Amino acid sequence: GENVEQHPSTLSVQEGDSAVIKCTYSDSASNYFPWYKQELGKRPQLIIDIRSNVGEKKDQRIAVTLNKTAKHFSLHITETQPEDSAVYFCAAEDSSYKLIFGSGTRLLVRP
Amino acid sequence: SQTIHQWPATLVQPVGSPLSLECTVEGTSNPNLYWYRQAAGRGLQLLFYSVGIGQISSEVPQNLSASRPQDRQFILSSKKLLLSDSGFYLCALNLVYEQYFGPGTRLTVT
Repeated sequence: GENVEQHPSTLSVQEGDSAVIKCTYSDSASNYFPWYKQELGKRPQLIIDIRSNVGEKKDQRIAVTLNKTAKHFSLHITETQPEDSAVYFCAAEDSSYKLIFGSGTRLLVRP
Repeated sequence: SQTIHQWPATLVQPVGSPLSLECTVEGTSNPNLYWYRQAAGRGLQLLFYSVGIGQISSEVPQNLSASRPQDRQFILSSKKLLLSDSGFYLCALNLVYEQYFGPGTRLTVT
C-alpha cells in the first residue's frame, strides 16, 4: 500500500524567509496530493493540493511542486509570517481513495 | 456547501467505560466518511472509513468500532475505553478528491 514520508519533522525560520517541506510517496498510481495546515487545538485545514497532471501549483505565498518520476512533492511558503506557524501535513491518495498522511512538520516562524 | 458536525467537543471518560462519538454532515449526499485519531503531538491515524450506509472498513485492529446508520451519520464506539484511546478524534468527508475535517472531539481517558 501507499506510504508517505515527510521531512523535516520540525522547521524554524525567520519571518520573511522561505520554508520548504518535502514528502515522498511509494505508490506510483497515486494521483492526488493535498497539504493541510493544523493550528494548535484545531482541525487540519486544506491549504493547497495538486493532481498528477500538473507539476506545480501556486496560490499567493504558497506553492506545491510534484515530481511523479521521483515520487516526491514539496510545499513552498515564501515571505513567511508568524501566522504561518503550525503543523503541516502532506498526503497522497491511495487506490482506494483514502488519504495516507505524512507524519507532519512543525513550522515555527520567528518574528 | 458541506458542513461537518461532531459532538461532543470534549469528553473525559474513565478507563473501562463505553464511548459513543457522533459525526453528522450537511450539504452533501452519499459522502465517503472517515474517522481519524490524533494522539497528542502526533500524526493522523485513519481508523475507519465508509462509502455508504452500513458499509464500514476498518484500518487498524483495536477496541473501537464504527457504524453508519444513515447516509449522513457516522458513529464511533467502544465498549471499554483504554488509556491509549485518549486523543483528538476527527471525522472527515471526501468530496470529489478534496477531504474536509470536522471540528473534532477531544477525548481524555482517565
